[in-house]
Amino acid sequence: DGGITQSPKYLFRKEGQNVTLSCEQNLNHDAMYWYRQDPGQGLRLIYYSQIVNDFQKGDIAEGYSVSREKKESFPLTVTSAQKNPTAFYLCASSQRGGKPPAEKLFFGSGTQLSVL
Amino acid sequence: KNEVEQSPQNLTAQEGEFITINCSYSVGISALHWLQQHPGGGIVSLFMLSSGKKKHGRLIATINIQEKHSSLHITASHPRDSAVYICAVSSGGGNKLTFGTGTQLKVEL
Repeated sequence: DGGITQSPKYLFRKEGQNVTLSCEQNLNHDAMYWYRQDPGQGLRLIYYSQIVNDFQKGDIAEGYSVSREKKESFPLTVTSAQKNPTAFYLCASSQRGGKPPAEKLFFGSGTQLSVL
Repeated sequence: KNEVEQSPQNLTAQEGEFITINCSYSVGISALHWLQQHPGGGIVSLFMLSSGKKKHGRLIATINIQEKHSSLHITASHPRDSAVYICAVSSGGGNKLTFGTGTQLKVEL
């Protein structure tokens, strides 16, 4: 079955450590997105990519980095510069991305990141 | 003021009840999305609409562009409908979404 796979489900980060969250899709979608979810807040966009080897900052990109070397994969690195990394992270994809009309998004099951 | 406001924040219903969740937004949009987030955290897209009404099974979504308002209705609610329902709007170009904070629904037997 086609879908988006995020791993791990739970991740713990130590002080000063970088951690990487994995997101893989087999939907052949061009666009991929990373969102952060905090209790009582709406999802916020961290980074998005409309095509391989290209990505743009979202609303809260500071302290995060991404790469898009393959169409299927869009890993997110939470760097030590992100001072408040504890949150639920969701990866999503859409077929085209970027240009109207709007498209349906497909989401992964998320990764809960906590700080030790 | 948030660009996307949902009400109520929390809702408890008895099995079989008709449920309505509301979403108001303050910006021009190209589409409005209703999403469902289950306790495990994964999100499923229920509807994407830009006008009128859509129906899927026991779920109905409506939108009034002039009033900048959308509703999600659940008929004959069931405990398996218990989840967080999230409204999101697409504005500007493409798929940049602005999300509401969600409505936590619990349906009891």
